Parts: sequence; structure tokens; C-alpha cells
Amino acid sequence: GQQLNQSPQSMFIQEGEDVSMNCTSSSIFNTWLWYKQEPGEGPVLLIALYKAGELTSNGRLTAQFGITRKDSFLNISASIPSDVGIYFCAGQNAGKSTFGDGTTLTVKP
Amino acid sequence: SAVISQKPSRDICQRGTSLTIQCQVDSQVTMMFWYRQQPGQSLTLIATANQGSEATYESGFVIDKFPISRPNLTFSTLTVSNMSPEDSSIYLCSVATGVGTQYFGPGTRLLVL
Repeated sequence: GQQLNQSPQSMFIQEGEDVSMNCTSSSIFNTWLWYKQEPGEGPVLLIALYKAGELTSNGRLTAQFGITRKDSFLNISASIPSDVGIYFCAGQNAGKSTFGDGTTLTVKP
Repeated sequence: SAVISQKPSRDICQRGTSLTIQCQVDSQVTMMFWYRQQPGQSLTLIATANQGSEATYESGFVIDKFPISRPNLTFSTLTVSNMSPEDSSIYLCSVATGVGTQYFGPGTRLLVL
């Protein structure tokens, strides 16, 4: 089946630093989604990308849909303590999503 | 977006018993899904809940173990049957409201003793 490789697995950064994480796949996806999950909660949709090459921002978050349609990245600028959580990428085809293993982000004040 | 609620939010169950999890959405949606998330792991799709017909199960999941109902466009249930400790997990309801948009409920945390 389709699999996503998400990296890095975890990140420990200082408040104010920028963060970058990415997902790659051997398969093509028509949509890329990025989620954040905090302890005890379900994943929350951050950004949805629908077109190869698309660059979309949501506040301090920026995500891009790779031109090959096999990858995507998420950047967080000027991190703050509340950015802590697990970030998941998901590639979607025909309404069905495949999820990466997540990037655990820790932000030190 | 869609607001999704799940009941119960958590439960502790004895092995061999069954638990039914309810998912309610605040608007009519075409596609509803059930996922499992084991501790520290990613999300695995169990099945797509189809309104008016049998659910579509992913490889490794069967109807006898995870029967699903979807009586209308805003509600679905997932039953975890004949539970064992390996079923301890977070069970998440999810809906798709349009092309590429997918939202999740808060999850049901299940511990099987």
C-alpha cells in the first residue's frame, strides 16, 4: 500500500526558532494535508494543499505541495511554546488519506 | 469545517466484552471514517462508514470484530467486539466535508484489561 516517510521523527528547539518538517512518498497524491495533535485530543487540520507547487500559509505556518506530487513540507516560523505537539502529514487520493508517522515538536521557552 | 463529538471519551473494559463508540457530526457529511491510533503511533484507517450500506473495511480489519453502523449522514457507531488488551488504543471518528478536507473527532481512549 501507499506509505509516507515523515521526518524528522522529533525536534527539540528553542522558542523563536524556525521549524521545518517534510513528508515523502513513492506514490503520487492529489491532496496533502497537515495536522497537529495535542495530548488527549484528536488531530486538528492546519493546512490543506490541492495543487502541485502550491504554497499556502496559515499564520506562522507555511506548507508546500511538491511539484512531483510525492512530497510536501511544513514550516513553522518563530516558534512559541504552544506549538508543542505531534504534527502529521497525510496524502489523500479519492477521499482516502494515508498518514505519516508524525513529527513530535518540543519547544523550550 | 465540521464539529465532531464522540462518546464515550474514554473507557476501561474487561477482556471479552464489547464497546460501542458513537460519533455525531453537526452537519450532514458524505464520508465518515473510523481510525485507530495506538499509543505513540500514527493513524490507521479501520473502515469507511457508508450510509445505507455495509462499511468498507481496510486490510486487517473485519466486520465481525469492528461492526459499524451509519443510519444517517450525521451519525455513526463503531463497536469493538470481544476485546483483548491489544485493542487498547484511541479510536477516532473522521469526516470529509469536501475535496481534500478531513476533520477528526476528539477520540475515544480505550483501555482493555
